[in-house]
Amino acid sequence: QVQLVQSGAEVKKPGASVKVSCRASGYTFNNYGISWVRQAPGQGLEWMGWISVYNGNTNYAQKFQGRVTITTDTSTSTASMELRSLRSDDTAVYYCARDRGNILSGYFFDFWGQGTLVTVSS
Amino acid sequence: DVVLTQSPLSLPVTLGQPASISCRSSQSLVYIDGDTYLSWFQQRPGQSPRRLIYKVSNRDSGVPDRFSGSGSATDFTLKISRVEAEDVGVYYCMQGTRWPTFGGGTKVEIK
Repeated sequence: QVQLVQSGAEVKKPGASVKVSCRASGYTFNNYGISWVRQAPGQGLEWMGWISVYNGNTNYAQKFQGRVTITTDTSTSTASMELRSLRSDDTAVYYCARDRGNILSGYFFDFWGQGTLVTVSS
Repeated sequence: DVVLTQSPLSLPVTLGQPASISCRSSQSLVYIDGDTYLSWFQQRPGQSPRRLIYKVSNRDSGVPDRFSGSGSATDFTLKISRVEAEDVGVYYCMQGTRWPTFGGGTKVEIK
């Protein structure tokens, strides 16, 4: 069965960077992409960006352009999301989700990871 | 950005009664492939979101048939034919036709 297992909770200081990983299993990793979505405490869902595992193409939400980088390691079927210059309002649960493999399809988020809480506090 | 407006914000429902959630888009959600990428997600307290419906009306595997989706272009609806206790949570619509955006969420609770 499809599983996405994320790395553990992180506590960071303002200005630092965080890298969250997402290990996929139960499907052919190269045939799909991965999107990252975050949820601030008590708030809704916000898409951050997407990567095609096949060719490494990325799309980032304008809000995070220049501050986020999404990568994949096909040897370990792992996707990672790095967010830099952290602020207190980046405190949120970060989710990875399996997604479209290329632009021939719209985005679809069919399976999600368990979430990783990132707390930014001085 | 495409704005999705969900209503109502809160939906108290009696067990066994139907429930309906509306999602209106600021733009048409028909993609270049002719499909409409409007999905519905359920988020139970303390859990990750779970997709229920994709491309407007297709139920995901394992989703009870009391959940149904309908609509077209800019106006969409999620219906629960008979609400059960396990349906409590927040429901989000999401469009994947352009940069993905989510509706603000509808909290379903039991009266």
